[in-house]
Amino acid sequence: AQTVTQSQPEMSVQEAETVTLSCTYDTSENNYYLFWYKQPPSRQMILVIRQEAYKQQNATENRFSVNFQKAAKSFSLKISDSQLGDTAMYFCAPRGFNKFYFGSGTKLNVKP
Amino acid sequence: EAGVTQSPTHLIKTRGQQATLRCSPISGHTSVYWYQQALGLGLQFLLWYDEGEERNRGNFPPRFSGRQFPNYSSELNVNALELEDSALYLCASSWGTGPPTYGYTFGSGTRLTVV
Repeated sequence: AQTVTQSQPEMSVQEAETVTLSCTYDTSENNYYLFWYKQPPSRQMILVIRQEAYKQQNATENRFSVNFQKAAKSFSLKISDSQLGDTAMYFCAPRGFNKFYFGSGTKLNVKP
Repeated sequence: EAGVTQSPTHLIKTRGQQATLRCSPISGHTSVYWYQQALGLGLQFLLWYDEGEERNRGNFPPRFSGRQFPNYSSELNVNALELEDSALYLCASSWGTGPPTYGYTFGSGTRLTVV
């Protein structure tokens, strides 16, 4: 069985500051990928960033970056220079062979 | 390129009725996934269809069912609706079975309200 834990139900950050959302997971699969999705109030799930588990280099996508610690099964998301548009629910989602597992989400509020 | 489309956007049903939700995947995607997202909660996996067949099923009662058509679109049917079925139902599509390289592309969801 796979489990995904996002231990921060809700977080707040001031605009332009940096925030880190944590995620730990448990999997028995060897070949998997990790994703972060955001769900703004519009409900649309949007892919934020992707990390291949076999790569040691952490993925970066503009202001979004991850800290992937494979041995610890940790996959945190760092958002730099937070913007009001970053306000959303963020879901950590490891993907094994045709199976996606979503965490319970972290609600991020970016304050002006 | 059109994204994943879901219809209807909102649906209000009475307890005991049946609800039918529809999803059209991105062109070329053969896999369709259904998730339930109750208010304030995460995504609970419901069903996965690929090439017209049910590949996997989440921990939901049999009154949750669905199918995938030859054009890869999909229907989710919920029979004997209960109040706790009220939720956002998200559909996602991806390329077919194979390495987990790609993420999903999600639709905007159907908000089902059971009264």
